[in-house]
Amino acid sequence: AQSVTQLGSHVSVSEGALVLLRCNYSSSVPPYLFWYVQYPNQGLQLLLKYTSAATLVKGINGFEAEFKKSETSFHLTKPSAHMSDAAEYFCAVSDRGGTSYGKLTFGQGTILTVHP
Amino acid sequence: GAVVSQHPSRVICKSGTSVKIECRSLDFQATTMFWYRQFPKQSLMLMATSNEGSKATYEQGVEKDKFLINHASLTLSTLTVTSAHPEDSSFYICSARSRGTSEPYEQYFGPGTRLTVT
Repeated sequence: AQSVTQLGSHVSVSEGALVLLRCNYSSSVPPYLFWYVQYPNQGLQLLLKYTSAATLVKGINGFEAEFKKSETSFHLTKPSAHMSDAAEYFCAVSDRGGTSYGKLTFGQGTILTVHP
Repeated sequence: GAVVSQHPSRVICKSGTSVKIECRSLDFQATTMFWYRQFPKQSLMLMATSNEGSKATYEQGVEKDKFLINHASLTLSTLTVTSAHPEDSSFYICSARSRGTSEPYEQYFGPGTRLTVT
């Protein structure tokens, strides 16, 4: 079964600083990979996804993520944090086939705090 | 486009009663809907997958007789928590997969329902 690990349950940055949220997956076959954002008491919004081809994926709100097969990682970055980026971020994976095809498995989540 | 709504957004019920949560795809037809629960400060855990017109498929450890799922139309799925207990208090989130999508992993999420059982 797929699993995904997010390193760091809390990340705190200053406004304007680089944001780096870490995600590692465990699979012998590279899965589909996603980053979602969740604001308090709201559902999830898709930031970006990796399905094939380009390993550097650009998403909404200035976020991007790079798929590194050798490191089984899909870290999320943003060059300059904004106060509105404060939220919880989830990394998720989905198998490319098999019985779990199309199902999402989520990481534990990382709460991003942005300081003025 | 691709908006999913949930009703109610918050509900408080007494222990032993049942509560129904609705999940609607507002501007698309959803052949598949997913139900997740999220405990405070934890990740989303998939509870079940429902396909329109057929029985839901529950994940291991989820009691199907306690969490009744109905997906009677292409725009509506309901989750009924029967004989609710305080440990059922959680944030329940649904998501929907569009009938027209060629990407099976693509899901649109609802805003969630906060259930509190007293």
